Amino acid sequence: GAVVSQHPSRVICKSGTSVKIECRSLDFQATTMFWYRQFPKQSLMLMATSNEGSKATYEQGVEKDKFLINHASLTLSTLTVTSAHPEDSSFYICSAGDLIRRTDTQYFGPGTRLTVL
Amino acid sequence: DAKTTQPTSMDCAEGRAANLPCNHSTISGNEYVYWYRQIHSQGPQYIIHGLKNNETNEMASLIITEDRKSSTLILPHATLRDTAVYYCIVRVSGSLDYGQNFVFGPGTRLSVLP
Repeated sequence: GAVVSQHPSRVICKSGTSVKIECRSLDFQATTMFWYRQFPKQSLMLMATSNEGSKATYEQGVEKDKFLINHASLTLSTLTVTSAHPEDSSFYICSAGDLIRRTDTQYFGPGTRLTVL
Repeated sequence: DAKTTQPTSMDCAEGRAANLPCNHSTISGNEYVYWYRQIHSQGPQYIIHGLKNNETNEMASLIITEDRKSSTLILPHATLRDTAVYYCIVRVSGSLDYGQNFVFGPGTRLSVLP
């Protein structure tokens, strides 16, 4: 079946540094990928929609200058958390749908756990 | 997207069937019922989806009532590895609306007990 990977799976960084998270669709193409954030004991919340070749669209309350999204190809989207602070510590998950086969469902990555000290 | 209502938590004995209910009384005619689950510290995993007919795959069965206002996910022989949060999501098929995300509610925390 379709696979979405994320790298790294886990990252610890110091406050004020930037962290890049990659999301790849391994066996399908995706013009749209979604980035979610999940805090402990909460559900997934959509942060932004990543569009290949164009600007990402952000959900209300998500700072676009802090969470930089780049979708440079049909198989790769990156999320960069700039000037990270402890409150940015969370579980970040991406998802994508198959552009060509247009399957009914979407596929989720394994997630990246970010801890900001 | 239609809202869904699920119990906060459920327990199930290992080897028994786990029946997880979901209410979606405002579902529209073109909206599917999707089920995903999330095992601790992992990304959501697709389980099954359906429009109006009952569906079965190697993981589970999905029973949708005739009026489509509720559904039940059935794990026929629950194992300890099925302990997870189960999300019932109602939305238009991805094949028709490729650019739409999934909206997650709080889900049901299923604990399979030995």
